Amino acid sequence: NAGVTQTPKFQVLKTGQSMTLQCAQDMNHEYMSWYRQDPGMGLRLIHYSVGAGITDQGEVPNGYNVSRSTTEDFPLRLLSAAPSQTSVYFCASVGTGDTGELFFGEGSRLTVL
Amino acid sequence: KNEVEQSPQNLTAQEGEFITINCSYSVGISALHWLQQHPGGGIVSLFMLSSGKKKHGRLIATINIQEKHSSLHITASHPRDSAVYICAVRDLGAQKLVFGQGTRLTINP
Repeated sequence: NAGVTQTPKFQVLKTGQSMTLQCAQDMNHEYMSWYRQDPGMGLRLIHYSVGAGITDQGEVPNGYNVSRSTTEDFPLRLLSAAPSQTSVYFCASVGTGDTGELFFGEGSRLTVL
Repeated sequence: KNEVEQSPQNLTAQEGEFITINCSYSVGISALHWLQQHPGGGIVSLFMLSSGKKKHGRLIATINIQEKHSSLHITASHPRDSAVYICAVRDLGAQKLVFGQGTRLTINP
C-alpha cells in the first residue's frame, strides 16, 4: 500500500541512549521531513530533504541527525537522548506538481526518562 | 512573525453551523495543504491547492494566490468534525513545508 511507514510507534529511552526512528515511503516522493509535536504546540520542523543525498536543518535540529541515501528512506537519529526530546514525532513526504499530496506517518511517541 | 498564520486559534460552534478557518502566508508558495488531526490521532491531508477552489463532501477549500490567503469551510458542521485543522505551505524558494499553529475546532451537539 502506498503511504508513509514510520516505526516504532512507541519507544522509551533512558537519558544518553541513542535510537533511530525509521521513515519509508513508496511513492517516489522527493521531499521528506521530520517534525516533533509537543502538547499545545504546532508541528516543528526538525530536518528535511528535497532528494536523495540532500538534507537541511529545520527550526529545531539540535540533538538530531538525518541522512537520505535513498529516495525511499529518511531515518532520524537521536545521538544521546535527553528528556527534552520527549515528544511525538511525525515523518511526512510530499510529491511535486499537481498531484503533490502530503502524506504523514502515524507518529512515534518517544519518552526519555 | 510566523510565515504562516491561522485564525482563529480556537473555535467552538454548535452542530449545523457554517465554519470558516483562515490561513495567511507571507512567502511565495508552490502549494498549500489543509490537514486534519483528531485528538491523539494521526495527521490526514484534506486538500492540496495551488489555485482556485476544491470541494470534498462538506469541506470546501479556497486559495487566493495574489492575497496570499486560503480558507477552509465546513458546511453543516458535526461533532465528528471536532479536530485541529492545520494549514501548511510549500515554500517556493527553500522548498520546505511551513506549518501554521493550527486551529482547534470543537463542535457541540
